[in-house]
Amino acid sequence: DTGVSQNPRHKITKRGQNVTFRCDPISEHNRLYWYRQTLGQGPEFLTYFQNEAQLEKSRLLSDRFSAERPKGSFSTLEIQRTEQGDSAMYLCASSWDSYNEQFFGPGTRLTVL
Amino acid sequence: AQKVTQAQTEISVVEKEDVTLDCVYETRDTTYYLFWYKQPPSGELVFLIRRNSFDEQNEISGRYSWNFQKSTSSFNFTITASQVVDSAVYFCALSENFGNEKLTFGTGTRLTIIP
Repeated sequence: DTGVSQNPRHKITKRGQNVTFRCDPISEHNRLYWYRQTLGQGPEFLTYFQNEAQLEKSRLLSDRFSAERPKGSFSTLEIQRTEQGDSAMYLCASSWDSYNEQFFGPGTRLTVL
Repeated sequence: AQKVTQAQTEISVVEKEDVTLDCVYETRDTTYYLFWYKQPPSGELVFLIRRNSFDEQNEISGRYSWNFQKSTSSFNFTITASQVVDSAVYFCALSENFGNEKLTFGTGTRLTIIP
């Protein structure tokens, strides 16, 4: 049974560059979530999808952030014009539906220099 | 607005001791879910338990047990006979509306088991 996978695991970029992360959920999970975790804090919700529909976006998700799940399978999270404050671990999770637990991937650690 | 408070930032205990991690939550909803996740040094969050707001029965799973008390808005987690492998950061989380749309996490408790 394959878990949630995320790529890349680490990303170092310079301020102002664009970055894109990918998340592959557990097969047949129709819900997919993105969270952000900074050092010493718990994960903070960013957005979630049911199949290809983006159902909710947090106020944390500024205009520089965009997420897609084009075919209801994998998802991408893009950050444009990165800032040092974007440095964090970006976590992806998936669940079968709204009544089951979320399973998390290993995360993508972003460092903005 | 929902909120989860884990007042214990760090706890250290000697192996085989029992340890309780506290979690206090705030919500205006009458239906909600509570969760505990473990984040070992490898970084991947591991699901431990989910409890809905209508079920106040305590739960035991091996060395782990959970005490849910709506009267005090608490959902505490106890590890009995702790082991070094229990060393991790533990997060309590809340989801409103009896669903699983988004989780609100506490700031976590770093547990260190001293051999």
